Amino acid sequence: DAGVTQSPTHLIKTRGQQVTLRCSPKSGHDTVSWYQQALGQGPQFIFQYYEEEERQRGNFPDRFSGHQFPNYSSELNVNALLLGDSALYLCASSSKTDGWRKREGRDTQYFGPGTRLTVL
Amino acid sequence: RKEVEQDPGPFNVPEGATVAFNCTYSNSASQSFFWYRQDCRKEPKLLMSVYSSGNEDGRFTAQLNRASQYISLLIRDSKLSDSATYLCVTPSSGSARQLTFGSGTQLTVLP
Repeated sequence: DAGVTQSPTHLIKTRGQQVTLRCSPKSGHDTVSWYQQALGQGPQFIFQYYEEEERQRGNFPDRFSGHQFPNYSSELNVNALLLGDSALYLCASSSKTDGWRKREGRDTQYFGPGTRLTVL
Repeated sequence: RKEVEQDPGPFNVPEGATVAFNCTYSNSASQSFFWYRQDCRKEPKLLMSVYSSGNEDGRFTAQLNRASQYISLLIRDSKLSDSATYLCVTPSSGSARQLTFGSGTQLTVLP
């Protein structure tokens, strides 16, 4: 049973460039959330996708955008990169169906290994 | 006030010791609480879920005090492998149930 996967593992970009990060949720899950974790901090919520739509957004600028595909996988796009965008980007997988919520517990999210983005 | 606040670290304890972390939360409507463990440069991994007054799993015990809005994590008989950052987490209000994380407490278990 595959867990949450993310690609690439590491990425180095320069200021002003654009980046796309990818995530495949755990088998059976339908919801993907994205988080940004700066060094020494807890993860910060960026946005969540369910049924191919952005359902909720954290306090991040419009330079951060995303997409969810029919197979539930998701992409995070960041435009006009800034030095401060350097962080670990985490994808979290969950399910809104009752069966999974009963099996795994309410509100439980499972994280992928992350993509470490460095902006120079 | 931050939504989730944790004990400032780091905690350095000898092997075999008992250590406790506290976490306070501001959303009185929160119903679910989690402790995640995060190793250096790795993703957070779910350690415990708490939906009622507490939960116990082997050497780990989580206790919830709704009146005072805090949750604690107790680790008994610490092992070297328990060295990690422990993140206190609760979902925010709203339909998307985004997770709100504390900034984490770093634990180092010394031989």
